[in-house]
Amino acid sequence: GAVVSQHPSWVICKSGTSVKIECRSLDFQATTMFWYRQFPKQSLMLMATSNEGSKATYEQGVEKDKFLINHASLTLSTLTVTSAHPEDSSFYICSARDQSAGGQETQYFGPGTRLLVL
Amino acid sequence: AQSVAQPEDQVNVAEGNPLTVKCTYSVSGNPYLFWYVQYPNRGLQFLLKYITGDNLVKGSYGFEAEFNKSQTSFHLKKPSALVSDSALYFCAVSDNAGNMLTFGGGTRLMVKP
Repeated sequence: GAVVSQHPSWVICKSGTSVKIECRSLDFQATTMFWYRQFPKQSLMLMATSNEGSKATYEQGVEKDKFLINHASLTLSTLTVTSAHPEDSSFYICSARDQSAGGQETQYFGPGTRLLVL
Repeated sequence: AQSVAQPEDQVNVAEGNPLTVKCTYSVSGNPYLFWYVQYPNRGLQFLLKYITGDNLVKGSYGFEAEFNKSQTSFHLKKPSALVSDSALYFCAVSDNAGNMLTFGGGTRLMVKP
């Protein structure tokens, strides 16, 4: 099946620093990737839709200047948490939609990145 | 607006017994329905989907789900549970192949030996 990777899997940083998370589709191309945030014991909340070669679409309440998304190629999207604060600590998960015929409707998820801001 | 409800926070079942994890949805138009499983500190793994066709969909690890249009439900089932099935299960819906997924709150499945 389609594989999505994320890097890093864990990151601990000081308050005020910026953290970049990478999401890669390993064996398929994805013009669209999605970034989710998951709090402990809660469901996934969509943060933004990342479109290759264009600006990301952010969900209501998500600060686009704080969560910078870049989708520079068909296999890579990055999420940068700028000036991170403790309340940004969370589990960030990306997904990618397989563009191949018959697979467009399925999102495949990365393993997630746990961010802890001290 | 689309929505998904998973009425049970947790389902407990003995190993070897059948299991059901419930999901109901609301969406305009034809639904695209999905089940994902999440193990601790991991991302979501795709289990199965319903787009069109047979109402009974078979997926990974012996799981299946039945689409019921009149009841707007898409319950996940397995004939014989394994301890290794213990995880967090999410139901999700979309109203279009390319649109965003809306997730249910998740149901924790506990399979006891």
